[in-house]
Amino acid sequence: DAGVTQSPTHLIKTRGQQVTLRCSPKSGHDTVSWYQQALGQGPQFIFQYYEEEERQRGNFPDRFSGHQFPNYSSELNVNALLLGDSALYLCASSLTGGAPFFGPGTRLTVL
Amino acid sequence: EDQVTQSPEALRLQEGESSSLNCSYTVSGLRGLFWYRQDPGKGPEFLFTLYSAGEEKEKERLKATLTKKESFLHITAPKPEDSATYLCAVQGLSGGSNYKLTFGKGTLLTVNP
Repeated sequence: DAGVTQSPTHLIKTRGQQVTLRCSPKSGHDTVSWYQQALGQGPQFIFQYYEEEERQRGNFPDRFSGHQFPNYSSELNVNALLLGDSALYLCASSLTGGAPFFGPGTRLTVL
Repeated sequence: EDQVTQSPEALRLQEGESSSLNCSYTVSGLRGLFWYRQDPGKGPEFLFTLYSAGEEKEKERLKATLTKKESFLHITAPKPEDSATYLCAVQGLSGGSNYKLTFGKGTLLTVNP
C-alpha cells in the first residue's frame, strides 16, 4: 500500500516565479492538508482540502493557493516567490477524523 | 490560539539511558494530541494519537502519556536508531482550529552507542 507521495523531490526557483507542487494521498484517504516547514521549526499549516473545497486556511497570503481533484490528489501553487518561501513543503492525508500521515516533502529553494 | 512548547530543544543520551521528552500545550478543547518522528530531510512519521487525559500508548521503546496540560514521550533503553527529531502537535475543537495541527518546534534526540 503506497503511502503519501509528493513531487518533485527538490525544486529551485528564482524570486518572482511561480511553482506547483503535487501530492497523492494514501489509499483510502479523502482529506489533504499542506504544511510549510522552515529549517529548525515545526510544520506550519497552510490549508486543508476536502471534497475539492478549501476547508480551513492558516495564516498564509493569497499567493498560496491549492486545488483538490476528484481522485483526492492535490496541488499547492505559490505565486510571486519570495526568498522566505524557501522551505520543506509537506503534504498530509487523512480519513476524516483520523490522524494525518505525511509525505516525504518537496524541498523548495528560492534564489 | 493553540500553542505547543516542547522541551528540551535537544537531548543527547547514551544507548540504554532512558529519558522523557515534554510537550506542553494550550488549546480551547482538545480533539487530539499527536506525536511524530522526523528524520533529517524527510516527512514526519506518525507515532501516536492521544485523546483524553490519563490515556497512554506504547510502541516498542516509546510510551506516550497525556495530562490536561502536557504530554510526555518516554523512551526506554534507547538505541542509536531512535535518533531523530520528535514533534508534538495538537488539534483543537474550536471552529478556527478543528482541522489543522499546531506543532511545536520539536526535540532533537541523539542516542550515542
